[in-house]
Amino acid sequence: DIQMTQSPSSLSASVGDRVTITCRASQSINTYLNWYQQKSGKAPKLLIYTASNLQRGVPSRFSGSGSRTDFTLTISSLQLEDFATYYCQQTYSTSSITFGQGTRLEIK
Amino acid sequence: QVQLVQSGAEVKKPGASVKVSCKASGYTFTSYAIHWVRQAPGQRLEWMGWINAGRGHTRYSQKFQGRVTFTRDTSATTAYMELSSLRSEDTALYYCARDSRVIENSYLFDNWGQGTLVTVSS
Repeated sequence: DIQMTQSPSSLSASVGDRVTITCRASQSINTYLNWYQQKSGKAPKLLIYTASNLQRGVPSRFSGSGSRTDFTLTISSLQLEDFATYYCQQTYSTSSITFGQGTRLEIK
Repeated sequence: QVQLVQSGAEVKKPGASVKVSCKASGYTFTSYAIHWVRQAPGQRLEWMGWINAGRGHTRYSQKFQGRVTFTRDTSATTAYMELSSLRSEDTALYYCARDSRVIENSYLFDNWGQGTLVTVSS
């Protein structure tokens, strides 16, 4: 299986901050990398697909970049509703879809 | 609007089976695959596989092969996940999620059920 590793595992930030979360794949996955946001007690929500494409309805302060093994999710100016856990997902190996361990974004 | 509504929480003993349902509405059920994803307490999301709601084809993650079965009832627009030989490590929140692409899978999950908690305990 392709292993997905996120860093940091947790992060404290303030409203208005610029935040970057990193996801690394154990092998090249081209740009088959997606990001989800999960708020406490809720199902995940798709934010970004194929590394840099914003899902319809997602605010433009979210952006993604990267290719092959290294990817980033950036939130340009944190809003209160952005405090959540973020997961990356690889869809390169469709026989074994895998997720990162998550990055918990907390209010400082 | 698209909705996926799952069945309620279950408590099972080790060795038993559980069947979770996922009722879809707001779209053409047979045009999209349904995936199943679980999340054990404090753990990462874990993909279990998918079912083509139209043709009924399935694909299972190797980890669950032989122990999980996906089915669907097109007249009821409902998908089902049955997991057998339950053990304590199967205690988790089980989600159904719709694939974002019509007919051909994208493995992007654009709509999710609310989750069904399955607890395995003696």
